This record gives sequence, structure tokens and C-alpha cells, in this order.
Amino acid sequence: DVKVTQSSRYLVKRTGEKVFLECVQDMDHENMFWYRQDPGLGLRLIYFSYDVKMKEKGDIPEGYSVSREKKERFSLILESASTNQTSMYLCASSFEPPSSYNSPLHFGNGTRLTVT
Amino acid sequence: SQKIEQNSEALNIQEGKTATLTCNYTNYSPAYLQWYRQDPGRGPVFLLLIRENEKEKRKERLKVTFDTTLKQSLFHITASQPADSATYLCALDISRSNYQLIWGAGTKLIIKP
Repeated sequence: DVKVTQSSRYLVKRTGEKVFLECVQDMDHENMFWYRQDPGLGLRLIYFSYDVKMKEKGDIPEGYSVSREKKERFSLILESASTNQTSMYLCASSFEPPSSYNSPLHFGNGTRLTVT
Repeated sequence: SQKIEQNSEALNIQEGKTATLTCNYTNYSPAYLQWYRQDPGRGPVFLLLIRENEKEKRKERLKVTFDTTLKQSLFHITASQPADSATYLCALDISRSNYQLIWGAGTKLIIKP
């Protein structure tokens, strides 16, 4: 089975801190994604990467950046955390783009970030 | 803009009955739609995908229908069990981009013994 591991389940950070969220997948997937999940809203895509060192903005990239130096690792960076970035952050990977018939997303168990 | 709606209220079903969840969308013609299950404190887990040219897809006790005229997908769990209690998410392909899915907020399903 594909395993997507997020380094922290819970994080509490202060406003203005730089925050790193790490994600590692073990199935040699080309594509990796960062989503945030808030109550009453669907998952929203922050950034995705379809190859090492490649990144693309999703729907809500403001206040975030990403890094993909190795195929298996995709990091989300909050340059200066703000309280409106308090959320559940989900990392996902897929072998092919989500538009491919047999390439669903595989998710990690999330990092719940609280910014105070 | 694209909009995707799932019942925001929890759905309570008696064990053994069929649970039916709804996913409605507007303003687009997706190539396919996916359903995921999410347990508390966990990431979503993929269940089924149905293409626009497929009316119905089955997997064990699960059945998904896709009506592109009504712009609606129905997700059925037959012979429901308490272990089926979870939040179920639908996700819609925006086929102009290979990487973008639009997600519903999910419906919480509670199966009572």
C-alpha cells in the first residue's frame, strides 16, 4: 500500500513564525499535493508538484511556498504564520495526474496547525 | 464559478439499511467524479471513481451513480454497518487541468446499531 507520511500530527506556532510541514511518500509517485481542510469547506489546493523541483500554484497559494528537492518529499512552508492559517493540512500523492482514470489521490493523515 | 454541494447535515441511518449520499454540482461538465471516505483525524481514502459516460459503478456494498443531466452523483452503501460511519467526500474533475479537483465539504454518515 502507498504510504504518505506527514511529519507532525499537531503543531502549535506563534504568529510570524516560519513553519515547515513535511511530507514523504514511499511509492515513487510523480505528483504531490498540499491541501488545507477547514470545517464546512471542501479541500482547497495550495500547491502541487508534478516533478522534482517543479511546482505549480493551486487555488490558495498566498502566504505559502513549497519545496520539492527529492521525488519522495514535498514540503509546505508558511513564511510568516498568521492566525488565518490555522487549519488541517493534508498532503497527497498520485502516480499519474488526477485526471487519469486509475490514479486516485493517496493522502497522509494530516497536520493540524494552530497559529496563536 | 464551479460549485459542488453535499448535504451539510449528518445522515443517520439504521444498521442494515441502505445509506444514500448526494453530490450536486453546477456550472461545469466534469469528465469524472471521485468518492472518498474520511475518518476523524485521518486523511481521505479513495473509494470509487465514475466517468461521465458511466451510469453506475459498484464495489462490494458500494454503488455510485452519475447523472450528467441532473448534475448529480449518488453514493449508496447497502447493508450498512456501524463501521461505515465516517465522512464521505466527493471530488469533481476539472478536466481542463490535469491536476485540479474540486471538493465537496463532505457528508457525515452515522450508522446506528
